[in-house]
Amino acid sequence: DAKTTQPPSMDCAEGRAANLPCNHSTISGNEYVYWYRQIHSQGPQYIIHGLKNNETNEMASLIITEDRKSSTLILPHATLRDTAVYYCIVRAPNAGNMLTFGGGTRLMVKP
Amino acid sequence: DTGVSQDPRHKITKRGQNVTFRCDPISEHNRLYWYRQTLGQGPEFLTYFQNEAQLEKSRLLSDRFSAERPKGSFSTLEIQRTEQGDSAMYLCASSFDRGAGGDNEQFFGPGTRLTVL
Repeated sequence: DAKTTQPPSMDCAEGRAANLPCNHSTISGNEYVYWYRQIHSQGPQYIIHGLKNNETNEMASLIITEDRKSSTLILPHATLRDTAVYYCIVRAPNAGNMLTFGGGTRLMVKP
Repeated sequence: DTGVSQDPRHKITKRGQNVTFRCDPISEHNRLYWYRQTLGQGPEFLTYFQNEAQLEKSRLLSDRFSAERPKGSFSTLEIQRTEQGDSAMYLCASSFDRGAGGDNEQFFGPGTRLTVL
């Protein structure tokens, strides 16, 4: 699986959009971009994933650049409960096995 | 709640003792994964099962570690002769493999926090 690079930490004001970047310049053509988050003392929670088109669900939007070398997770209206570590993971489909977590981005949503 | 459950949530043991953790996946999920997470780090893969078959094991899974999923439903992770370095959060996840390629997100349990004194 391709390696990802994320900033170690970010702050966001409550109610504003949180934009979390991820670089994955070595991504292969069949690899998906997944986002998970981990709230303190809980297991990771799946947020969203995509291949090349932008995706949106009830939690977030995922914007993938045309060359697929980077992506941005957008939380449109961040709340204090969105404070967590956000992990960007690149993974081949039906890889069957592990998710490879990097260091992630620690997002702090402030009132 | 029909999510992944783990038991116990916390375990404190003395060095040298054996411990066993249990994971109950989402009922229709055929894949089950174990991860370990130490403080300040992301989770690290240990092993995974497709139904009852253990298909992959990480180098992190030393001989003191053994995992089973005897009937393709719940799984247990046993650590023998625990060491202080085994102190970590042990996470279980499950997913449904459609078998024809494609993506399959993993759903995680709350974890078991192990402290070895």
